[in-house]
Amino acid sequence: SQQGEEDPQALSIQEGENATMNCSYKTSINNLQWYRQNSGRGLVHLILIRSNEREKHSGRLRVTLDTSKKSSSLLITASRAADTASYFCARTSGNTGKLIFGQGTTLQVKP
Amino acid sequence: EAQVTQNPRYLITVTGKKLTVTCSQNMNHEYMSWYRQDPGLGLRQIYYSMNVEVTDKGDVPEGYKVSRKEKRNFPLILESPSPNQTSLYFCASSPDRAERGNQPQHFGDGTRLSIL
Repeated sequence: SQQGEEDPQALSIQEGENATMNCSYKTSINNLQWYRQNSGRGLVHLILIRSNEREKHSGRLRVTLDTSKKSSSLLITASRAADTASYFCARTSGNTGKLIFGQGTTLQVKP
Repeated sequence: EAQVTQNPRYLITVTGKKLTVTCSQNMNHEYMSWYRQDPGLGLRQIYYSMNVEVTDKGDVPEGYKVSRKEKRNFPLILESPSPNQTSLYFCASSPDRAERGNQPQHFGDGTRLSIL
């Protein structure tokens, strides 16, 4: 399968805790992106990290990329109930613009 | 407000009755694409368009058609829908075909189709 693997599939934490989601992929990448999907809604772009970058921050989000291990992680610090959603990593390869998504991690943040 | 708008949001219909899902973006994006999302299979690309009058197949194009006559619109057409096309569909766009692999994509809110 072209799709990456995300781990864990589901994660339940208390508000204020940190959440870490991992993504692995099999082929070379141009970049790796993370998206959030709230129930019944479309995907919202969170962060894009290029293949020559190792770490990127955006607010409470921190993404790392290890191209030697073909893996990435998304860390959400000080989680909030509003962070409850599914999170997907997606990679593009080649020049078609196609996003290849992982299966996603469903995060539940309990108040 | 910058957005990708899909219509309808929900549709229940019957096998064989042609339907069109519209997609419109107001960001002057060159690149647009359609995905379907299915449990256990994730999101898969159906068709994409690099610019007006330029479309190409994604991973699962069978049973679908698209057109790109104007930059802002990219309708998805199901000429003879079948139950295996029951799914959640998303339209997406991104700014620049030259950078298409390195730019975030903007997604619509989705269209849930049920084909009976």
